[in-house]
Amino acid sequence: DAGVIQSPRHEVTEMGQEVTLRCKPISGHNSLFWYRQTMMRGLELLIYFNNNVPIDDSGMPEDRFSAKMPNASFSTLKIQPSEPRDSAVYFCASLRTVNVLTFGAGSRLTVL
Amino acid sequence: DQQVKQNSPSLSVQEGRISILNCDYTNSMFDYFLWYKKYPAEGPTFLISISSIKDKNEDGRFTVFLNKSAKHLSLHIVPSQPGDSAVYFCAAKYGGSQGNLIFGKGTKLSVKP
Repeated sequence: DAGVIQSPRHEVTEMGQEVTLRCKPISGHNSLFWYRQTMMRGLELLIYFNNNVPIDDSGMPEDRFSAKMPNASFSTLKIQPSEPRDSAVYFCASLRTVNVLTFGAGSRLTVL
Repeated sequence: DQQVKQNSPSLSVQEGRISILNCDYTNSMFDYFLWYKKYPAEGPTFLISISSIKDKNEDGRFTVFLNKSAKHLSLHIVPSQPGDSAVYFCAAKYGGSQGNLIFGKGTKLSVKP
């Protein structure tokens, strides 16, 4: 079991550029979650999918953010255009058992 | 407004002593509570959980206590070890929801040898 795999681990980009973060959940996990961690707001849920279908995207900050899950083994979180306030660590997690999420190592995004 | 609050950003404890991390919540609809541990440059990892129908759950050196009337839970680590030094997040889940957790901001625990 390789766990939840996220890429890239680190991304530095300039304001206005498009950023794509990727996640491969654990095989057999039916739900996938995207969280963002900042100093000010802590860990906040952005969006989650169940069986590849977005269930709740109320945490997505604005239209610049979008997420997709084209199949059970892959999801992307895209920011276009990126802004300095988007700098954060973005975590992907999949549901191991009822209630218990397994997190990836995170993608640290810096927008200059 | 934060629904899950960890009011102590940091805690320092001597090795071998007890560490007590606290968490308060505001929403009585939460039915399940979890603690996660996070090391630098890693994702949070599940530590221990408790259902709202219980008041205590124990797993080795880790015990979680739940006081529903006070809307308060705590994590006790006995004895504390230097390897326990990490950020600890309290999280809660609404009844009927699938797993989307609401997290506190975390408490950084330092266990000194």
